[in-house]
Amino acid sequence: NAGVTQTPKFQVLKTGQSMTLQCAQDMNHEYMSWYRQDPGMGLRLIHYSVGAGITDQGEVPNGYNVSRSTTEDFPLRLLSAAPSQTSVYFCASSYDRGPYNEQFFGPGTRLTVL
Amino acid sequence: DAKTTQPPSMDCAEGRAANLPCNHSTISGNEYVYWYRQIHSQGPQYIIHGLKNNETNEMASLIITEDRKSSTLILPHATLRDTAVYYCIVSGDMRFGAGTRLTVKP
Repeated sequence: NAGVTQTPKFQVLKTGQSMTLQCAQDMNHEYMSWYRQDPGMGLRLIHYSVGAGITDQGEVPNGYNVSRSTTEDFPLRLLSAAPSQTSVYFCASSYDRGPYNEQFFGPGTRLTVL
Repeated sequence: DAKTTQPPSMDCAEGRAANLPCNHSTISGNEYVYWYRQIHSQGPQYIIHGLKNNETNEMASLIITEDRKSSTLILPHATLRDTAVYYCIVSGDMRFGAGTRLTVKP
């Protein structure tokens, strides 16, 4: 199993550009989520999904869109990039969102917005 | 804010036990306590979890108080490679706080 994969690993954008961060998992996990981590800070939840076709907002959803058309994929879209979105983005998955929900994290995408 | 509070940093001597505390006074009856760690800027890695009994695996031990309002992660023989940020989270919350930065010193 590849686990959780994220592409790209690094990205530089100009203010106002849009892009999609890709996340995929091959563990047949129902629950997937996106976090951002700013320098010296903990992880903050952006959006999550409890299954295909179902998404919901986390702590810091503004400026981001998600969709979940398949169990495997959970892309994160930045509609109009801003310097405040410079961060490291982690995708995670787990079997479900119940009490037993060990999360598996991807390696992260390091995004810089100029 | 996350439902857990942790000290921002701790030091530990190599070979000694590292005891990392976590307070989760508002934990609900069916919520588990999970511990993760993040080495450098890698994705967080699962360590251990528990409900109300003490748990042990090949990486660590987890001690949960009887009232479940706090817990302690124990790394029995810390090595330099255990230097990382350790996060304690509650399963129903899914939010990571700032964690504890553990530095293992030779």
